[in-house]
Amino acid sequence: DTEVTQTPKHLVMGMTNKKSLKCEQHMGHRAMYWYKQKAKKPPELMFVYSYEKLSINESVPSRFSPECPNSSLLNLHLHALQPEDSALYLCASSQAPWSGTEAFFGQGTRLTVV
Amino acid sequence: EDKVVQSPLSLVVHEGDTVTLNCSYEVTNFRSLLWYKQEKKAPTFLFMLTSSGIEKKSGRLSSILDKKELFSILNITATQTGDSAVYLCAVEAAGNKLTFGGGTRVLVKP
Repeated sequence: DTEVTQTPKHLVMGMTNKKSLKCEQHMGHRAMYWYKQKAKKPPELMFVYSYEKLSINESVPSRFSPECPNSSLLNLHLHALQPEDSALYLCASSQAPWSGTEAFFGQGTRLTVV
Repeated sequence: EDKVVQSPLSLVVHEGDTVTLNCSYEVTNFRSLLWYKQEKKAPTFLFMLTSSGIEKKSGRLSSILDKKELFSILNITATQTGDSAVYLCAVEAAGNKLTFGGGTRVLVKP
């Protein structure tokens, strides 16, 4: 199983809503990532979890709150988002510590904030 | 700050042509360079390069890394319309941090 599964595939939320994005992998990877991708732009790193601990936060606003409940799951909690937060949110995983293997990406959640 | 730059930004070719995509980087504590193909949603993995001068090959695609000059190239020979996509270069640095370049948009016309 070389899949990273993200749910939901699409999400529309209002600026006062609270929602969560979910990501799951069963490859035994111990590094998991959240990326944000705007149209026609490359993915931008948001957070890195290594062994279930947050290791990198790329100065992401606090309205995005990551959580790694266990080694297979990664959540991104969303609260009081802005329309400019609308984007494709990609989850990825790789072996950790660095062992020379590639990162696998999920299919993404397309988020629209209205 | 880690930096990955890809060129060209986009190109249009006809089926059968060969394309060469470039990726240059400046990162601290380089670990590896990866190439991805992105068509609609998730980037799909193509190659990972860690050693200089060793060509990785998969069918019509090949890639090589020059760690001294800090760049990599991705070649696609005998292009097909299915090769149309955005090709992303990413560099992995210490701490499992993956930094992406801006991508090269390739359009292969019949």
